[in-house]
Amino acid sequence: AQSVAQPEDQVNVAEGNPLTVKCTYSVSGNPYLFWYVQYPNRGLQFLLKYITGDNLVKGSYGFEAEFNKSQTSFHLKKPSALVSDSALYFCAVRDGGNAGNMLTFGGGTRLMVKP
Amino acid sequence: DAMVIQNPRYQVTQFGKPVTLSCSQTLNHNVMYWYQQKSSQAPKLLFHYYDKDFNNEADTPDNFQSRRPNTSFCFLDIRSPGLGDAAMYLCATSRDFFRGGNEQFFGPGTRLTVL
Repeated sequence: AQSVAQPEDQVNVAEGNPLTVKCTYSVSGNPYLFWYVQYPNRGLQFLLKYITGDNLVKGSYGFEAEFNKSQTSFHLKKPSALVSDSALYFCAVRDGGNAGNMLTFGGGTRLMVKP
Repeated sequence: DAMVIQNPRYQVTQFGKPVTLSCSQTLNHNVMYWYQQKSSQAPKLLFHYYDKDFNNEADTPDNFQSRRPNTSFCFLDIRSPGLGDAAMYLCATSRDFFRGGNEQFFGPGTRLTVL
């Protein structure tokens, strides 16, 4: 079985400060990890993914995420938050050891960036 | 630009009146997915198609059906909508899920209201 957890329902940060949105996962095989962002009344938008290789992955809009195998985490980060980053963020995992598996999404974390 | 299009963006129907939501893609992706999302929760997978092979999730109600007449189009039919079916319905595509690392591309969603 595969699962993903986002322990924070909401993260508040001041504009210009660094932000972190946490994600932990559980898979039996190699994890394929994804971050998506959702703005109000919109679909999900792909930000970045980890499949293999460097643990630090860079994505769209200045976001990056660090894969940590020992801690089974894939936290999303940005050095300097913008008010426009305020949105709902979803972490997702797929077990690379099973070709038939679908994505499993975390419950989402609402990011609020205040001016 | 290549994209995933959903029509309509907002759909209002009456309790028990059948409704069809549509999705089209210009990405020429093999796989198409339908998700249901309630109240900013994690998207819940209803079905997916790999080319013309249809797969529904074990807990998808029989009230929901889908059709994929060709590569570009996919439809979600709700035969007898209930109040509990009010949600955002998201269509997504991916190139080939067997490779695992292919991210999904989402449409903007259709928000269904059941009166």
